[in-house]
Amino acid sequence: GENVEQHPSTLSVQEGDSAVIKCTYSDSASNYFPWYKQELGKGPQLIIDIRSNVGEKKDQRIAVTLNKTAKHFSLHITETQPEDSAVYFCAASMGSGGYQKVTFGTGTKLQVIP
Amino acid sequence: GAVVSQHPSRVICKSGTSVKIECRSLDFQATTMFWYRQFPKQSLMLMATSNEGSKATYEQGVEKDKFLINHASLTLSTLTVTSAHPEDSSFYICSAPGTGGGYGYTFGSGTRLTVV
Repeated sequence: GENVEQHPSTLSVQEGDSAVIKCTYSDSASNYFPWYKQELGKGPQLIIDIRSNVGEKKDQRIAVTLNKTAKHFSLHITETQPEDSAVYFCAASMGSGGYQKVTFGTGTKLQVIP
Repeated sequence: GAVVSQHPSRVICKSGTSVKIECRSLDFQATTMFWYRQFPKQSLMLMATSNEGSKATYEQGVEKDKFLINHASLTLSTLTVTSAHPEDSSFYICSAPGTGGGYGYTFGSGTRLTVV
């Protein structure tokens, strides 16, 4: 089955700096890569996603890059703000048809220091 | 956008009792619902996949007689933890495929179960 590794497990940055979280996946059949933000005591919230036919996607301060050859993808948050502090999970799925299970990374706890 | 409503958000029960967690898709039909378990400071682990009108599919190592899943309608899936024990204490989260062409998944807000 799919295996997703995520690094780092914790990340502290100063407000305004950038944060980068990296993930690798094992199954070359995976074609959908969402990123989730989870605040304490809440369910994950989708913040951005990318499909395998795209190398990069950006949404305001958040961007995701995908390297299919190397089977890794990254989340980039620029101009970080204290409200960005949360746990971030990457995930991989064979999303075609939408009913494939999602494999999550181990999570990154991001702390933005004011 | 698609919303999955999960209840209760928190529940405390005594050992040996059963607890039911409900997830409802509010503005779309969810023929599939994924149920996850999350221990503190850990990732989400898929427990089972429920499909409306058929038996749930359980992941390896998950006791289907302990974690009963019912997907009776296109908008409701339930997880019942039977004969709960303290080691069942965890954060349980449901998720349904979204409406964006099948890509994307909408998560419930989670249920914190504490068994005393």
